[in-house]
Amino acid sequence: KQEVTQIPAALSVPEGENLVLNCSFTDSAIYNLQWFRQDPGKGLTSLLLIQSSQREQTSGRLNASLDKSSGRSTLYIAASQPGDSATYLCAALTTSGTYKYIFGTGTRLKVLA
Amino acid sequence: GAVVSQHPSWVICKSGTSVKIECRSLDFQATTMFWYRQFPKQSLMLMATSNEGSKATYEQGVEKDKFLINHASLTLSTLTVTSAHPEDSSFYICSASWGVSTDTQYFGPGTRLTVL
Repeated sequence: KQEVTQIPAALSVPEGENLVLNCSFTDSAIYNLQWFRQDPGKGLTSLLLIQSSQREQTSGRLNASLDKSSGRSTLYIAASQPGDSATYLCAALTTSGTYKYIFGTGTRLKVLA
Repeated sequence: GAVVSQHPSWVICKSGTSVKIECRSLDFQATTMFWYRQFPKQSLMLMATSNEGSKATYEQGVEKDKFLINHASLTLSTLTVTSAHPEDSSFYICSASWGVSTDTQYFGPGTRLTVL
């Protein structure tokens, strides 16, 4: 059974810092891995999607990497800003049995001005 | 881009009543729609997957008779929480994809359900 874990659970950093959010998954049989942002009481905003054959994806100040063999993905945020404050979720699209997203526990990020 | 809406965005109801939540794909035809539930400070858990015109597939532990899902058209899926109780209070999020389960899922903004 696929399990997705995110570390740390919460993070508070001063503005301008570069930071790394970690996501680990137990079953390497994934079709893709996606990172989302969720603001309080809101839905999900897709940030980056990495196909299983890819190693990384970049969008602006965000870079996500994927290492299927070790069951890890990282989201790198450069030059953090207060507007980046949100909960970040990773989700693995598992291919074992039916295709479905298994979501991680989330990292609550607060960037201080 | 593909847009998914949910209605209502929030609802408060009395225990024992039924509540219907709509999920619509506004600018594309969604062959597959997904319903997730998120309890406070927890992650999203898939409840069920629905394909247009067929019965929904429920995840283990999700009561089919309590959470009725209808995907009658390519742009609309509904989730009805029957005889709601306080423990059903949660944030319900739907997503939609135009093809099979491996296609990109577009997420709705969510519906906050509070059962008194």
